[in-house]
Amino acid sequence: GNSVTQMEGPVTLSEEAFLTINCTYTATGYPSLFWYVQYPGEGLQLLLKATKADDKGSNKGFEATYRKETTSFHLEKGSVQVSDSAVYFCALSNQFYFGTGTSLTVIP
Amino acid sequence: GAGVSQSPRYKVAKRGQDVALRCDPISGHVSLFWYQQALGQGPEFLTYFQNEAQLDKSGLPSDRFFAERPEGSVSTLKIQRTQQEDSAVYLCASSPLRPDPLTEAFFGQGTRLTVV
Repeated sequence: GNSVTQMEGPVTLSEEAFLTINCTYTATGYPSLFWYVQYPGEGLQLLLKATKADDKGSNKGFEATYRKETTSFHLEKGSVQVSDSAVYFCALSNQFYFGTGTSLTVIP
Repeated sequence: GAGVSQSPRYKVAKRGQDVALRCDPISGHVSLFWYQQALGQGPEFLTYFQNEAQLDKSGLPSDRFFAERPEGSVSTLKIQRTQQEDSAVYLCASSPLRPDPLTEAFFGQGTRLTVV
């Protein structure tokens, strides 16, 4: 079946640290992959997406590459800011599956 | 406003009471989704509409849950005889596109339901 396994949190980093949030998936066919972000008090927002293998999605300094061979879509950012503090969700287009979310707190 | 609007934002219901949660999608959006998000968890898919047609309701947890979108715009999620385990945030999302319905999905802020 379809599922998303996401790195558990919470994650606490100092400003300017490197961020990786792991996401792996199982799916039938060739799904699109997404990262959504939920800032405190706000609704879920699309952060980035990739629609086929080897695609790299990027936005606001975040990147993720669709790796079909490892069924992964890890989220990375080279230098996090306090304003990146939020909950991050990996998602799969088939049957609309979401991961459990990873809470990120960036401290000054 | 231009976004997905959900109402009420907060709802407290006594166990056994019926509730109705409303979603106003972005005007012209074809696809509409409902999700249930328990505390500390990711959104769990409940049901999906394409215009007025409910194409997938496989995520509805029981026959106490019912959703409709009669004119292909506003949608209502109804929960009958609420139970404590129904306490969660209910999220609505809409998307302009098909057939990859999660492309560019826009989410509302959700309705937090607490059953006491």
